Amino acid sequence: ETGVTQSPTHLIKTRGQQVTLRCSSQSGHNTVSWYQQALGQGPQFIFQYYREEENGRGNFPPRFSGLQFPNYSSELNVNALELDDSALYLCASSEDRGPPDTQYFGPGTRLTVL
Amino acid sequence: AQSVTQPDIHITVSEGASLELRCNYSYGATPYLFWYVQSPGQGLQLLLKYFSGDTLVQGIKGFEAEFKRSQSSFNLRKPSVHWSDAAEYFCAVGDKGSQGNLIFGKGTKLSVKP
Repeated sequence: ETGVTQSPTHLIKTRGQQVTLRCSSQSGHNTVSWYQQALGQGPQFIFQYYREEENGRGNFPPRFSGLQFPNYSSELNVNALELDDSALYLCASSEDRGPPDTQYFGPGTRLTVL
Repeated sequence: AQSVTQPDIHITVSEGASLELRCNYSYGATPYLFWYVQSPGQGLQLLLKYFSGDTLVQGIKGFEAEFKRSQSSFNLRKPSVHWSDAAEYFCAVGDKGSQGNLIFGKGTKLSVKP
C-alpha cells in the first residue's frame, strides 16, 4: 500500500505567475483535501474533492482551484500568485468524505513566491 | 465560531521526563479529535484520534490522549519523552457537518533536552 505522494517537493515562482501542484491519494481512498500551511501556523483548509466533485471549500479566493481525476489523484491550481501564497501545501486523502474518516497527509509541496 | 487552541507555542522537556501538550476546542456538535505530529519540512503524521467510546485513547509512539467534554479538552500525554519526539504537534477537530475539513490549532513545538 502506497501512501499519499505530492509533487513537486519544492517550487519557486514569481508574483503573477500560475502554479499547479499534484497529489496522488492513498490506495483505496476516494477523497482528497488540500491545506495551506503558512510558516509558524497550523494547516488551513482550502477545499476537498470527493469522487471528482468539490465537496467543500474554505475561505480562499477563486484563484485557488482544483481538480480530481477518475483515479482520485488531484491537482491544486493557483493563479495570479501573491507573496502571501508562499507556504507548504499539504494534500490529504481519506476513504470517504468525513470526518469521521481519517485524513492521511502527504509530505507537502513548499511553494516560494518571489 | 469553531476553533482549536493550543496554549503553549513552545515546550522544552528533558529526555525521560513526562509530557503533556494542551488542546482546547470550541465546537457545537460532537467533535472528532485528532493529534498529528510534524517533523521539520515534513507532512503530518497521525498520532491518534478520538471519535467516540473510551475517552482515553492510545496512539503510536507511546502517546495517549484524554477527551474531557466538560473541559472541552483533548490533551496529549507521554510518560517518558525520547529525543526523537522533538517535533511540532498539532491538535485538530472536525465533525460530520464540516464537509470534511479539519480545523487545526497553531501547533506546539516540542524541544527535548539531553
